[in-house]
Amino acid sequence: DIQMTQSPSSLSASVGDRVTITCRASQGISNYLAWFQQKPGKAPKSLIYAASGLQSGVPSRFSGSGSGTDFTLTISSLQPEDFATYYCQQYHSYPITFGQGTRLEI
Amino acid sequence: QVQLQESGPGLVKPSQTLSLTCTVSGGSIGSGGHYWSWIRQPPGKGLEWIGYIYSSGSTNYNPSLRSRVTISVDASKNQFSLELTSVTDADTAVYYCARERPPGGAGWFDPWGQGSLVTVSS
Repeated sequence: DIQMTQSPSSLSASVGDRVTITCRASQGISNYLAWFQQKPGKAPKSLIYAASGLQSGVPSRFSGSGSGTDFTLTISSLQPEDFATYYCQQYHSYPITFGQGTRLEI
Repeated sequence: QVQLQESGPGLVKPSQTLSLTCTVSGGSIGSGGHYWSWIRQPPGKGLEWIGYIYSSGSTNYNPSLRSRVTISVDASKNQFSLELTSVTDADTAVYYCARERPPGGAGWFDPWGQGSLVTVSS
């Protein structure tokens, strides 16, 4: 299985901050990487696919980059509604695997 | 747009079988070539992919659960289902159904159902 490791596990930030979350794959996955946002008690919501593709309806302050083993999710200017947990997911090969999550808090 | 909704018992006894159904609305489960997946999340923990089914009935399961999992489809009802046998408290989780994108291969999940909490307890 491909292991996905996110860093940091938690992050404190303020409204207006620029935030970057990192995801590392245990082997090369090209650009087969997605990012999700999850709020308490809710299902995950797709943000980014193919490492840098913005899902329809997602604000442009979210962006993704990377290829191979190292990927980043950047939020350019944090809004109050962005405080949540973020997960990366590889779909290079089955079984599909997720990172352990990064909790973004005030 | 496509929406998914999980349904099934919220409480299952240890050693018994967990059964959930996902109903798809706003689109046909048999068109578009998508894979339809189950994913779970133990309380306070991360996400684990369980497996997928294609409308033809072909399946792919996570090796960690393969011996206990069956996913089936009923295209006439626009539903697909999950069975997990011999459950223990480690199977307590929120179970999500989701559509994989793009069609025809491994992908990301969008949309997701709202999730169904299943507790394993006597």
